[in-house]
Amino acid sequence: QSVLTQPPSASGTPGQRVTISCFGSSSNIGSYTVNWYQQLPGTAPKVLIYNNDQRPSGVPDRFSASKSRTSASLAISGLQSEDEADYYCAAWDDSLKGAFGGGTKLTVL
Amino acid sequence: QVQLVESGGGVVQPGRSLRLSCAASGFTFRNYGMHWVRQAPGKGLEWVGVIWYDGSNKYYADSVKGRLTISRDNSENTVSLQMNSLRAEDTAVYYCARNLGVSNSFHMDVWGRGTTVTVSS
Repeated sequence: QSVLTQPPSASGTPGQRVTISCFGSSSNIGSYTVNWYQQLPGTAPKVLIYNNDQRPSGVPDRFSASKSRTSASLAISGLQSEDEADYYCAAWDDSLKGAFGGGTKLTVL
Repeated sequence: QVQLVESGGGVVQPGRSLRLSCAASGFTFRNYGMHWVRQAPGKGLEWVGVIWYDGSNKYYADSVKGRLTISRDNSENTVSLQMNSLRAEDTAVYYCARNLGVSNSFHMDVWGRGTTVTVSS
């Protein structure tokens, strides 16, 4: 199982707000910054959020994220059909390894 | 433009070896750490390992330690993944990705399209 824990699935209707949680520990999220990656079907992942809450240029401000102690969350507001994808949280770990969450498959109903 | 292109994937028998390469272009390669990440069919992302910008440090996932080795050639702008003693569970799409920021940021801002490795007899 993954070092970081995410719900396997999430869903919402267009226009809704959806949140995806990510739980870790003091050795990863508690000590390092959290990044979120979006993987659209059939494509390579891309960074959606870095350094806990920063959006790269080109990422809509509908995407936001936060971190608190050993957990993090990604929020998507004004849900759109093109947001249907897999979302992964990720952070470095004190064990000198990278850690990904198991991924959350977001379905837009 | 900034680009990473993986190559070297294919079908290989269990126990054999394979070497993947990732060619970088459009940026000063020697300034960046590089990760390998893999994704088994229908599964999530799994971090494989990282090499620091100057090759001075390399770290690996437990699942590959001792079998997979990352190296880089800053004069050729390439990073490689030597895969030995391959197992069926190594079957995956392998991505290389650039690390942006401090070494432990785990912020992968540029990804290749991936190369597929299938381990099967």
